[in-house]
Amino acid sequence: DTGVSQNPRHKITKRGQNVTFRCDPISEHNRLYWYRQTLGQGPEFLTYFQNEAQLEKSRLLSDRFSAERPKGSFSTLEIQRTEQGDSAMYLCASSLTSGWKETQYFGPGTRLLVL
Amino acid sequence: AQSVTQPDIHITVSEGASLELRCNYSYGATPYLFWYVQSPGQGLQLLLKYFSGDTLVQGIKGFEAEFKRSQSSFNLRKPSVHWSDAAEYFCAVGPYGQNFVFGPGTRLSVLP
Repeated sequence: DTGVSQNPRHKITKRGQNVTFRCDPISEHNRLYWYRQTLGQGPEFLTYFQNEAQLEKSRLLSDRFSAERPKGSFSTLEIQRTEQGDSAMYLCASSLTSGWKETQYFGPGTRLLVL
Repeated sequence: AQSVTQPDIHITVSEGASLELRCNYSYGATPYLFWYVQSPGQGLQLLLKYFSGDTLVQGIKGFEAEFKRSQSSFNLRKPSVHWSDAAEYFCAVGPYGQNFVFGPGTRLSVLP
């Protein structure tokens, strides 16, 4: 049972460029989450999917952010027209729902630096 | 809205000493509580979780936590700290989605 994987692990881009991150969840996990973590802070919820449906989006997720999970397996998070304030660690987590009792397992994260 | 506070931003202990990291939560219903650990530049690893039942839960790496409803606390403990325990520790309260909230974290340093 492999864990959650994320690619790339690091991304450096120039302001105004678009970036895309990928997350591969634990197989058969039906929920997939995206979080953002800035230095010295805890992760902040961005969005989550149940299978291919995007069920919730945080107010942190501006119009420049879009996430997809087209076949209910891997997910992508795209940031358009990046800004320096987008520099952060982007974490993905997956879970297998069982009523309300749910445990999220995290990937290693993608660290984004916008110059 | 639920929230989590971790009063200690940074704690330093000597190797072999005992450890207690504090976590207080605010949640309107029965909380689901978690502790995660994050090494520098890495993702989060689950240490332990509480859903219901016995209020003292055991986790990996010799950690345990005790749920105290009257104090809205879920403190993490370890009887003897190892140098490899140096990391950032996050408490979180569930259940899921926007209602899954992390605390700001406590950074643990271990002196040889």
